[in-house]
Amino acid sequence: KQEVTQIPAALSVPEGENLVLNCSFTDSAIYNLQWFRQDPGKGLTSLLLIQSSQREQTSGRLNASLDKSSGRSTLYIAASQPGDSATYLCAVPSQGGSEKLVFGKGTKLTVNP
Amino acid sequence: EAGVTQFPSHSVIEKGQTVTLRCDPISGHDNLYWYRRVMGKEIKFLLHFVKESKQDESGMPNNRFLAERTGGTYSTLKVQPAELEDSGVYFCASSQSRVEAFFGQGTRLTVV
Repeated sequence: KQEVTQIPAALSVPEGENLVLNCSFTDSAIYNLQWFRQDPGKGLTSLLLIQSSQREQTSGRLNASLDKSSGRSTLYIAASQPGDSATYLCAVPSQGGSEKLVFGKGTKLTVNP
Repeated sequence: EAGVTQFPSHSVIEKGQTVTLRCDPISGHDNLYWYRRVMGKEIKFLLHFVKESKQDESGMPNNRFLAERTGGTYSTLKVQPAELEDSGVYFCASSQSRVEAFFGQGTRLTVV
């Protein structure tokens, strides 16, 4: 059974810091991994999708890496801004070829001005 | 291009009543999913449609939940009768096969 763990559960940093959010999953037979952002009371916004054949993906100040063999992914945020404050969620397919996603509980990020 | 749209955004109903949630996926996406987040827990899968067919409904909590996707377009999720533990945020997502999933804003359901 696929399980996703995100560490830390919460993180508070001053503006401008570079930071890393961690995601680990138990079943490495995944075909992709997706990072989402959720603002309070809002839906999920897809940030980055990494295919299993890729090791990383970049979008602006965000960089996500994937190490399938060790069951880990990291989301790196450079030069953090107050607008980055949100909950960041990691999700992977439940098993094998399944298309249903298993989510972690998320990391709540607060960037202080 | 419109994203995934969900109605209503909020719903407050009494225990025992019926509520119907609606999801309009991104046009052309055959895959439609329902997920739910209850207080303090992670987002969990409910079911998956491919066009109008239920591909996987292993996450549906019980037979008080009924999902339909008539004509392979929009989908509805009906809860009848609603119980207190059904409160949470219900998300809908759509995708093409094995690529990025796009989520709606969610429907916050409160059963009192």
